[in-house]
Parts: sequence; C-alpha cells; structure tokens
Amino acid sequence: AQKVTQAQTEISVVEKEDVTLDCVYETRDTTYYLFWYKQPPSGELVFLIRRNSFDEQNEISGRYSWNFQKSTSSFNFTITASQVVDSAVYFCALSEPGANSKLTFGKGITLSVRP
Amino acid sequence: KAGVTQTPRYLIKTRGQQVTLSCSPISGHRSVSWYQQTPGQGLQFLFEYFSETQRNKGNFPGRFSGRQFSNSRSEMNVSTLELGDSALYLCASSDQGVGGGLSTDTQYFGPGTRLTVL
Repeated sequence: AQKVTQAQTEISVVEKEDVTLDCVYETRDTTYYLFWYKQPPSGELVFLIRRNSFDEQNEISGRYSWNFQKSTSSFNFTITASQVVDSAVYFCALSEPGANSKLTFGKGITLSVRP
Repeated sequence: KAGVTQTPRYLIKTRGQQVTLSCSPISGHRSVSWYQQTPGQGLQFLFEYFSETQRNKGNFPGRFSGRQFSNSRSEMNVSTLELGDSALYLCASSDQGVGGGLSTDTQYFGPGTRLTVL
C-alpha cells in the first residue's frame, strides 16, 4: 500500500527565516509522481510541483526548492526567506501506480510565518 | 484559462437528505477527480471520471456516486447523508488522465464545496 508521511504537523517561523518541510513516501512501484500542493485558508489546493520517479534533479523556483532522494524515499520542500504569504497548509502527495489521477496525500504541514 | 469551478461553495443539509455537487473542469481537461477532506481523515480520493466513465474509485460506500457529462463537467452525489459526511469536497481536473506510465497530467483543484450535515 502506498503511504505519504509528513511527520511535522505545525511549523512556526519568523519572516525571512528558511524552512524545510519534510515528506517521506512508500511505494512498491518504480514509476510514480510526487507532488506538493499549498492550501491557503481559502481552501483551494494550489499546485506547486510535480516530480517523476526517474528525475532526481533538485529543482528551484524562486524562493522554493525541492530535494528528491529516492535512496531515502524523501521529497523535501524548502522555502527560503519565508514571507507571511507563505502561511498555509502544505501537502505532499504520491500518485497511484497505473492511476496518475489518484493521489495519496500526507496529513499536511501547517506553516505559520510571523512578521 | 479559467480554473476549476465548483458549485455551490457552501451547503448545509440535514441527516438523511441527499446532495449533489457540481464541478466544471479547466477547458480541455477530460479527467475529473473528487476528494473528500476532513480534519480526521485528511484528503481522501473518492473517484475519477474520464470521458464520461468512472475510471478509478476510492474506498467509500455506495452512497457516494458521481457522473461526468459529455462536456466533461462532473457531478457528485451523496445519498442518505450522515453527520460524518461533513467535509470539504474538492474537485480536480487534469489534461490527459492517461493511466499508468509517465504522462503529463497534473491535477488542478477547485476551491471546494464545504458541506455541513446537521
């Protein structure tokens, strides 16, 4: 069975601090996708990134960066110089083998960025 | 392009009633998936429709059903509502919905319908 673990439940930082959100996954499949979504208070899940299982290159997008390591089954997300607008719940998700539209989500990490 | 839209945004029902939620995908997207989000269980996959056919299904009772129309719009129905059905119901659409292998589909979510069952 597939599983996504986000061990951190709540993180609070002061603006401009760097913060890393951890994600560990379990799957028996060799072909899969990993995702990060952001859920602001409005409720809509905002897509941040998709990474396929064959691409372990780290990715940077502005203040956001992702570190994918198959050896440790981790897909961590770092926000550099955090801002108040980064306050949200962040979800890591894993696609189901043979059903890319069926995602298994972690429990989410509530990030609070204080001014 | 307009994003995924869901109606209504908020709904209050009583136990035993039934409810229908609507989702309009991003133009050109043929796959629509539904998720339930509750504080206790988190985000759980309900089902996925592709070209008017249910392609994948999660572990929910038969009271939860859905359908998709030829224009890719989808509806979700919950019959005989229970208190535990109170949740945020999220709809997502993707552009290919190809099962298995490597594809380019990414799911884009709507704002959700918040259902409260009294």
